[in-house]
Amino acid sequence: GQQLNQSPQSMFIQEGEDVSMNCTSSSIFNTWLWYKQDPGEGPVLLIALYKAGELTSNGRLTAQFGITRKDSFLNISASIPSDVGIYFCAGQGNYGQNFVFGPGTRLSVLP
Amino acid sequence: ETGVTQTPRHLVMGMTNKKSLKCEQHLGHNAMYWYKQSAKKPLELMFVYNFKEQTENNSVPSRFSPECPNSSHLFLHLHTLQPEDSALYLCASSQVGTSAEQYFGPGTRLTVT
Repeated sequence: GQQLNQSPQSMFIQEGEDVSMNCTSSSIFNTWLWYKQDPGEGPVLLIALYKAGELTSNGRLTAQFGITRKDSFLNISASIPSDVGIYFCAGQGNYGQNFVFGPGTRLSVLP
Repeated sequence: ETGVTQTPRHLVMGMTNKKSLKCEQHLGHNAMYWYKQSAKKPLELMFVYNFKEQTENNSVPSRFSPECPNSSHLFLHLHTLQPEDSALYLCASSQVGTSAEQYFGPGTRLTVT
């Protein structure tokens, strides 16, 4: 079945640094979603992408829909302590199909 | 209440107990989902309901029984669970036909003893 890989698995950064993470697949997707999950809580939707090449921002977060439609990227600028959490990508093949979720990237921000 | 709510937030149950998880969405959506989240594994889709009709049962054991009485409420009935069923159970909702975005509840942390 379809699978998503996320890189890196985990990362430790200094407060104020920029962060980049990606999500890759062997299959083509037509929709990408990025979520953040805090400990003990459900995932919160950050950004939705619907078109290859699309670049969308939400505050300090920017996500891109890869041109090959097999990957997506999330960048966080000027990280702060509350950015700590697990970031998940989710991809959907055709509209109406179920989403496939990646295993997540765990972000730790050091003061 | 706003968004997607789930109760209880935490549940400890023995293998012979029967319990139910409840989910309610206040977003006017028409699709609801149950996911299982285990440590170090991707989210696993369990059930999908569109317009109150079950459209997906992702090979889930019969000890998990979903119920969707209307498009705002979703239940997961549990009976004779196994310790390996311990996990975070997440409910989500979306609007079929306009947007693919799924919105999640806070989850129920289930421990089976």
